[in-house]
Amino acid sequence: NAGVTQTPKFQVLKTGQSMTLQCAQDMNHEYMSWYRQDPGMGLRLIHYSVGAGITDQGEVPNGYNVSRSTTEDFPLRLLSAAPSQTSVYFCASRRDRRTDTQYFGPGTRLTVL
Amino acid sequence: KQEVTQIPAALSVPEGENLVLNCSFTDSAIYNLQWFRQDPGKGLTSLLLIQSSQREQTSGRLNASLDKSSGRSTLYIAASQPGDSATYLCAVRLLGSYSSASKIIFGSGTRLSIRP
Repeated sequence: NAGVTQTPKFQVLKTGQSMTLQCAQDMNHEYMSWYRQDPGMGLRLIHYSVGAGITDQGEVPNGYNVSRSTTEDFPLRLLSAAPSQTSVYFCASRRDRRTDTQYFGPGTRLTVL
Repeated sequence: KQEVTQIPAALSVPEGENLVLNCSFTDSAIYNLQWFRQDPGKGLTSLLLIQSSQREQTSGRLNASLDKSSGRSTLYIAASQPGDSATYLCAVRLLGSYSSASKIIFGSGTRLSIRP
């Protein structure tokens, strides 16, 4: 099993550009989530999904869209990148919303100029 | 709103020392608390999980305690080694609605450096 994979590892965008951060898991987990990690602020939940076709907002959803068309994939879209979205983004999955063990991807470091 | 705080933000100790990392949370209505380790440029790895009904959990040289009433948890590392150098984060899982029970709130972490 590859676990949770994320692409790309690094990305530089200009303000106003759009892009999609990819996340995939091969563990057949129902629950997937996106976090951003900023210095001194820990990880903050952006969006999460409790299963294919179901998504919900987390703590900091503005400026981001998600979809969950399959169990495996949970892409995060930035429609119009802003410098405030410069951060490290982590995708995570767990078996279902009741399960505690969470698996994290290696992260994507995004810089918006 | 649940807030999770970890103080200090950074800690440096000589090898071999026992040390304690602190985590505090504002709302005691939690389902559980986890401690994670994060190495530079990597994702998070779960170290210990304490259910709300438990007082402590142990794994090797690590011992985590939970005092829900005071909103505190500690991670005790015995006989520290240079390989323990990493950032340690605590996170609480909320108790409550279907929606909120899905959420995990993280602290900002303590960056630990063990000097050889």
